[in-house]
Order: sequence, then C-alpha cells, then structure tokens
Amino acid sequence: AQSVAQPEDQVNVAEGNPLTVKCTYSVSGNPYLFWYVQYPNRGLQFLLKYITGDNLVKGSYGFEAEFNKSQTSFHLKKPSALVSDSALYFCAVRDPASGGSYIPTFGRGTSLIVHP
Amino acid sequence: KAGVTQTPRYLIKTRGQQVTLSCSPISGHRSVSWYQQTPGQGLQFLFEYFSETQRNKGNFPGRFSGRQFSNSRSEMNVSTLELGDSALYLCASREGPNQPQHFGDGTRLSIL
Repeated sequence: AQSVAQPEDQVNVAEGNPLTVKCTYSVSGNPYLFWYVQYPNRGLQFLLKYITGDNLVKGSYGFEAEFNKSQTSFHLKKPSALVSDSALYFCAVRDPASGGSYIPTFGRGTSLIVHP
Repeated sequence: KAGVTQTPRYLIKTRGQQVTLSCSPISGHRSVSWYQQTPGQGLQFLFEYFSETQRNKGNFPGRFSGRQFSNSRSEMNVSTLELGDSALYLCASREGPNQPQHFGDGTRLSIL
C-alpha cells in the first residue's frame, strides 16, 4: 500500500525568506515522488519529481525537493519565497511495486501563504 | 503541444439530473484519469482509462462512470446527481506510468 502525508494544512512565510513544505510517504518499495502546485480556479501543475538518482531534485519556478529515504520524506523547498508562490501544494507518491495500479496517491495539500 | 482541455468549465445542475463532462488529453497521451476535488475530502481518484479500457477505479458509487474514445478523449458521467457531488472535477493525462500527470483546469459542478 502507498500513502502520503502533508502534516501542515497551512504554511506562512515572509517574502524573501526560505520556505519548506513538508511531505512524508509510506511505500513497500522505492517510491516515485511528485510535487504539484494549484492556483485558484486552476488545475494542478507539475513542479518536480523524484524517480531515482540524486536526492536533491530541482524543478520549476526555483523549487527543489530533497528525497530522504531514512526519514521517508520529500520536503519541498525554495531559498527565497515570492508572494506569487502563494498557492496550494500537493505531494504525491506512487509505489512501483504496486502491481497493476499506476495511480499515485495525493496528499491533502498544504496552503502556502507568502506575506509581503 | 496543447494542454489538457476540459469542458465545460462551469456547470450548474439540480438534484436528480445527470451530467457529462469532457476531457481532451495532451496529444499522444493514452492514459486519462479523473479526480474529484472538494474542500473536505481533498483530491479523490475516480478512475483511469488507458487505450479505451478502464484500468483502475476508485471508491465511488456506480453513479459515476466514464469512457474513453479511440482518440483518447474521455468523458465522465454522473447520474442521479446529489448535493454532495458538488465539486471540482479534474482530468489528467500522462505519457507513461512513471511520468507526471498533466491536469486540466477542471469542471466546477454545482448542484442546487
């Protein structure tokens, strides 16, 4: 079985400060991990993914995420937040050992609010 | 390439009616998935179609159904609408099982 948790419903950060949005996962094998962002009245947009390789993954809009196998985490980070980063962020996991199911499981989402 | 297109963007129906939502995936993507998004339940998986076959199904009642055509376009149908069906319905397509999903902007369905 695969599951993902985003422990914070909301994260508040001042513009220019670094931001972190947390994600932890549970899979039986090695995970495929994804981050998406959703702006109001829009669909989810893909930010970055981890399949294999370097634990630090760089994505769109200056975001990056670090895969930590021992802590089963995949936290999203950005060195300097912008007001325009304010949105809903989703972490997703897929367990490639899940047989015929190719469907990722999404977290409940974290609302990021960047204050000017 | 054009992105995932969902029509209509907004829909208002009354209880007991039925509705059909449409999704055109990115050209070349054969996998199409549907999700229901509500503030209380978050993002919930409805079903996935691949090459006109339903490959996976979420935990929704039989009132929710879908299909996929030979050109990969997909439709989902909800019959006997209930107030609780009010939600944003999202469609996503992807190139392969290890690739990210690309989402449309959704159809916001309101049930009166």
